[in-house]
Amino acid sequence: AQSVAQPEDQVNVAEGNPLTVKCTYSVSGNPYLFWYVQYPNRGLQFLLKYITGDNLVKGSYGFEAEFNKSQTSFHLKKPSALVSDSALYFCAVRDTPSYGQNFVFGPGTRLSVLP
Amino acid sequence: ETGVTQTPRHLVMGMTNKKSLKCEQHLGHNAMYWYKQSAKKPLELMFVYNFKEQTENNSVPSRFSPECPNSSHLFLHLHTLQPEDSALYLCASSRDRDSNNEKLFFGSGTQLSVL
Repeated sequence: AQSVAQPEDQVNVAEGNPLTVKCTYSVSGNPYLFWYVQYPNRGLQFLLKYITGDNLVKGSYGFEAEFNKSQTSFHLKKPSALVSDSALYFCAVRDTPSYGQNFVFGPGTRLSVLP
Repeated sequence: ETGVTQTPRHLVMGMTNKKSLKCEQHLGHNAMYWYKQSAKKPLELMFVYNFKEQTENNSVPSRFSPECPNSSHLFLHLHTLQPEDSALYLCASSRDRDSNNEKLFFGSGTQLSVL
């Protein structure tokens, strides 16, 4: 069975500093990995995904994530945080082959960027 | 704007009421989903429809009844709900359920309060 862990409920970072939001996963086959962001009173928005290829994936709003197979991790990063990045971030995984498989979401990490 | 529209945005209902949530997408997708998002809990998948056929019911109580009349519309009919059903109900769509790397597109959700 597939699962996702986000070990931190809350991450606080000062504006302009680099940020990291952690995600680890467990799957039977090869993982398809996703990051979504949720702003207040909104649904989830897609940020980026890893399917295959380069381990460093670049996404929306200057975010990137690094796939590490040996550590089964897919941490979200940004070199310089903005106050507007404050939101709830969800990591999600899908196992392969994907037929019959659903997305599994982590519990979410709340990011607060302080001015 | 993700292309997935949910109405109403907010709903307050008593335990004896009957109401319906509506979701509409004009993305040409064939899979639609209902998720429940409660405070401090992971996103819970409730129902999946693929090409208008229900393919998943994750042990959801019968007081929640989904309907998918066509690939663009999805409803969630509610009756005799309990206060613990208060949550944000999110609709999502994707090209189809089983494409390997397709992402989900989410609506903004309906914030439901059961009194």
